Amino acid sequence: KAGVTQTPRYLIKTRGQQVTLSCSPISGHRSVSWYQQTPGQGLQFLFEYFSETQRNKGNFPGRFSGRQFSNSRSEMNVSTLELGDSALYLCASSLEQGQYGYTFGSGTRLTVV
Amino acid sequence: QQQVKQSPQSLIVQKGGISIINCAYENTAFDYFPWYQQFPGKGPALLIAIRPDVSEKKEGRFTISFNKSAKQFSLHIMDSQPGDSATYFCAASADSNYQLIWGAGTKLIIKP
Repeated sequence: KAGVTQTPRYLIKTRGQQVTLSCSPISGHRSVSWYQQTPGQGLQFLFEYFSETQRNKGNFPGRFSGRQFSNSRSEMNVSTLELGDSALYLCASSLEQGQYGYTFGSGTRLTVV
Repeated sequence: QQQVKQSPQSLIVQKGGISIINCAYENTAFDYFPWYQQFPGKGPALLIAIRPDVSEKKEGRFTISFNKSAKQFSLHIMDSQPGDSATYFCAASADSNYQLIWGAGTKLIIKP
């Protein structure tokens, strides 16, 4: 059974650009959550999607957005990149919304220069 | 009130020793307390979790101790092995929204 797949694994972007990250959940999982991980800050919740609808949102600016497709795959977009957006972006999937059984992907390492 | 404070930031333990990582929370609505283990280049993986109705939960060499009155919980790794070297995160959540609030992480190094 394939795990959570995140692409690309590494990304280097220039300040001011925009970026799109992709997440394919475990087959059958319908809920996808996104987290930002930075050294010393732990994981910060970005948003959760279920049935193509955003169900929960963390405390991030509107430059961070996402969407979920009918096959449960999800994308996350960050516009007008800032140096502080450099981080590991993690996607986690679970069977249903409102469950603790998250499985994380290996993340996308974004570096903004 | 939403914070989870984790200590220490880093920890070095000799092989065979006991590793102890502590977390404290403020929100009394939290009722689920998991610990995650993260290896370099990988996402976090659930290690063990506890509910506040018990004071201790043990799974193999890993034990969570929970002190509801002090609003603290800790992870104990017995007979620590080099393969346990990883970053450990505590987290907390309320069943009302299932949103995990994470500690900042502890980098654990087990010296052979």
